[in-house]
Order: sequence, then structure tokens, then C-alpha cells
Amino acid sequence: AAGVIQSPRHLIKEKRETATLKCYPIPRHDTVYWYQQGPGQDPQFLISFYEKMQSDKGSIPDRFSAQQFSDYHSELNMSSLELGDSALYFCASSLDPYMNTEAFFGQGTRLTVV
Amino acid sequence: ELKVEQNPLFLSMQEGKNYTIYCNYSTTSDRLYWYRQDPGKSLESLFVLLSNGAVKQEGRLMASLDTKARLSTLHITAAVHDLSATYFCAVDNTGNQFYFGTGTSLTVIP
Repeated sequence: AAGVIQSPRHLIKEKRETATLKCYPIPRHDTVYWYQQGPGQDPQFLISFYEKMQSDKGSIPDRFSAQQFSDYHSELNMSSLELGDSALYFCASSLDPYMNTEAFFGQGTRLTVV
Repeated sequence: ELKVEQNPLFLSMQEGKNYTIYCNYSTTSDRLYWYRQDPGKSLESLFVLLSNGAVKQEGRLMASLDTKARLSTLHITAAVHDLSATYFCAVDNTGNQFYFGTGTSLTVIP
């Protein structure tokens, strides 16, 4: 079965550079969530989209932005990268959130800022 | 903001033993999820609990939900080494985001 695809899997950037993470949800899933997980931490919610509109926003820095496109894939854009941005970034997708379905997670993008 | 707490944070248990992981949350919700995460890997969905009194079982794991007590449990029966992982509960009260617990790092010792 198709799963959530994230790219790239690994990314190394220097401080103050920009990075773009991509997420391709499971087919027919219209809801996408982004999470950041630091070493030894639980996943922290960043932002979510439903039907290409932002549906909720968590602890996402102003330096980050995201959007969901017409094909439902999503991109997380990160600018002016800081060392503290080094983390595992997960994207998850689900069906209509009001249908009480769980979110399926991608393999994650490991971002290292040096 | 909804808060989700798990205990214990770390659990070391011998193979063949039973144990329970607890997940408490702070506000009303009738949607609770359990995920498993292996080191450096993604989160794998284990259970979806959508109503008070819901109980689900898969292999050696059984999850239950008490929405009145705002408590979910993940019970491990006759643990085996393959169950070693970090287990997260997550609560969703808006449909727009999941609030994760702190995670329970389980190590099963032969």
C-alpha cells in the first residue's frame, strides 16, 4: 500500500541557509500535518492543512512557512536556518480529520544544520 | 492547550512479563491514538480509540480508553524483545492536530 513519501530523507545545511522539505500524502488523503522531533523529544506540531487551506498552527517559527498544493502534496520552507532547527521533520496525512481516522506518518526528513 | 502525559518515561522489563503504560490527557477528547517509534524511524500507527470504553488488541498489545478519567492504557502481555521501542500516545480534540505524550521508551531484556 502507498505510504506518505517525504523528500529528501537527509539534508545538511549551513546556518542562515534555506531548506525545503516535501511531503506527498497517501492517495485520497486531504489532510497533511507537519511535526518536528528533536533528539529524545516527542513530536511537536508545526502546522496542518486540510483541502489546501491551513487548518491549524502550532509552534512553527516565523522563519518557516508551508503550503499544500492542488495535488495535496505539501512543502515546508525553512529560512535563516539555525543550529536548533536540526531535527527530524515528519509529515503525516489522514483522510478528512472529522472522520476520526488516524494519521499515517512518513519516514521523516533528518535536517542537520551546521 | 491540551497536555498529554505518559508514564513511565522509561521502562525496562524482562521477556515474558506484563506491564502497562499510562496516558493521561488534560481536556475532553474522545480520540486517542497509540504510535510506536523505533530509533530514528517514523511513527507507526498501532491503535485508534474513538469512544469511551474502547478496547483494541493486536498481538501482545492491548489498548483501552476511559474518556471520563481522561486515561488510556497500553498493556503489554508476555513481552518479547521485538517490542522494544518508544511508544507514544496522541490525542486529537480538534481534528487538526495531534498532541503527543512524552513517550515511553520500552526495553525488553532477554
